[in-house]
Amino acid sequence: AQSVTQLGSHVSVSEGALVLLRCNYSSSVPPYLFWYVQYPNQGLQLLLKYTSAATLVKGINGFEAEFKKSETSFHLTKPSAHMSDAAEYFCAVSGLSGGYNKLIFGAGTRLAVHP
Amino acid sequence: SQTIHQWPATLVQPVGSPLSLECTVEGTSNPNLYWYRQAAGRGLQLLFYSVGIGQISSEVPQNLSASRPQDRQFILSSKKLLLSDSGFYLCASQTTTGRDTQYFGPGTRLTVL
Repeated sequence: AQSVTQLGSHVSVSEGALVLLRCNYSSSVPPYLFWYVQYPNQGLQLLLKYTSAATLVKGINGFEAEFKKSETSFHLTKPSAHMSDAAEYFCAVSGLSGGYNKLIFGAGTRLAVHP
Repeated sequence: SQTIHQWPATLVQPVGSPLSLECTVEGTSNPNLYWYRQAAGRGLQLLFYSVGIGQISSEVPQNLSASRPQDRQFILSSKKLLLSDSGFYLCASQTTTGRDTQYFGPGTRLTVL
């Protein structure tokens, strides 16, 4: 079975500061991992995904995430926060179940960026 | 790439009224389709998924049902809405290639009064 834990339901950073959103996963099979972003009253947009290729994955909007098998982590980072990064971020793990792709989501982390 | 349409965008309904939310997909054929609900202050809950026309699986017993009358059309319904059905409903699509990415629609905000 797969599960995802996002540490910190709310994270606040200053504009220009490092963004670090934490995600730990549990998976009985080699995981596929995803980060999605959700702006208010909108659907989820894929930021990046890990599919067992390079462990450092670069995504859109300057975000990247590193897969660390030994730590079962897939933390999301961005070197310099922008006001437009304020949103909710979801980490998800994928595993085949009954022949279909089931995404298990974390509870989400709301990122606030202040001037 | 896939484009997912959902309507209506917002809906306010009284308790006990019926519900029909529609999702259509462009840019792919024979996708896996999913309905999620996002309640206030909570994460995403998978409600239904479908791997083909007429094939529906339910993840959580509830007041809702789903149907897939066409390959790229997915409908979420209820005969009688409850207050607890309020939330943000998201449709997602995934090409049937193993553990591919799920792409999400813009969502429907449902308020039951």
